[in-house]
Amino acid sequence: DGGITQSPKYLFRKEGQNVTLSCEQNLNHDAMYWYRQDPGQGLRLIYYSQIVNDFQKGDIAEGYSVSREKKESFPLTVTSAQKNPTAFYLCASKLQGEAGELFFGEGSRLTVL
Amino acid sequence: DQQVKQNSPSLSVQEGRISILNCDYTNSMFDYFLWYKKYPAEGPTFLISISSIKDKNEDGRFTVFLNKSAKHLSLHIVPSQPGDSAVYFCAASFSFSGAGSYQLTFGKGTKLSVIP
Repeated sequence: DGGITQSPKYLFRKEGQNVTLSCEQNLNHDAMYWYRQDPGQGLRLIYYSQIVNDFQKGDIAEGYSVSREKKESFPLTVTSAQKNPTAFYLCASKLQGEAGELFFGEGSRLTVL
Repeated sequence: DQQVKQNSPSLSVQEGRISILNCDYTNSMFDYFLWYKKYPAEGPTFLISISSIKDKNEDGRFTVFLNKSAKHLSLHIVPSQPGDSAVYFCAASFSFSGAGSYQLTFGKGTKLSVIP
């Protein structure tokens, strides 16, 4: 079945460590996105990529980095520069072109101890 | 500056009654709107959308209404069921963003509780 797979589902890390969250999709979608959800804050855009080897910062990109070497993959690295990394992270994808819905993965819960 | 606003953090409704979730937006350039449903620790799932050329879109128990002059949209769920209990997010976009820039702007969500 086609879909978006995020891993790991839960992740614990010590403060100061970099962490990479995986996002893989087999929907043949061109565009991929990373959102962060905090209680009462809704979904805020971190980074997005419309095509391979290209990506743009979203509203809260500071302390994060991404890469898009393959169409299917869009990993997110939470660096030690991110001041409040504990959150629920959501990856999404969409066909390029006209307006439409984003398809989301199941999310990754990162807790920094 | 929050461009998409859901001013009610929570809503409780009796089973079988109508649930009305509201959303306001400030950017008049938005012309495509979506509603997502989200359970705890899961990704959001798409519910229904509406283009600004319409003022109503219906899909089963779910209807979205758009009032462009008021920059307001609402989601009606009739009849409400306990399984509808979730957080509902309103989102907005520009239907044509040019290459490299399509994105959704989300509200903060409304937690709906349907009481049996």
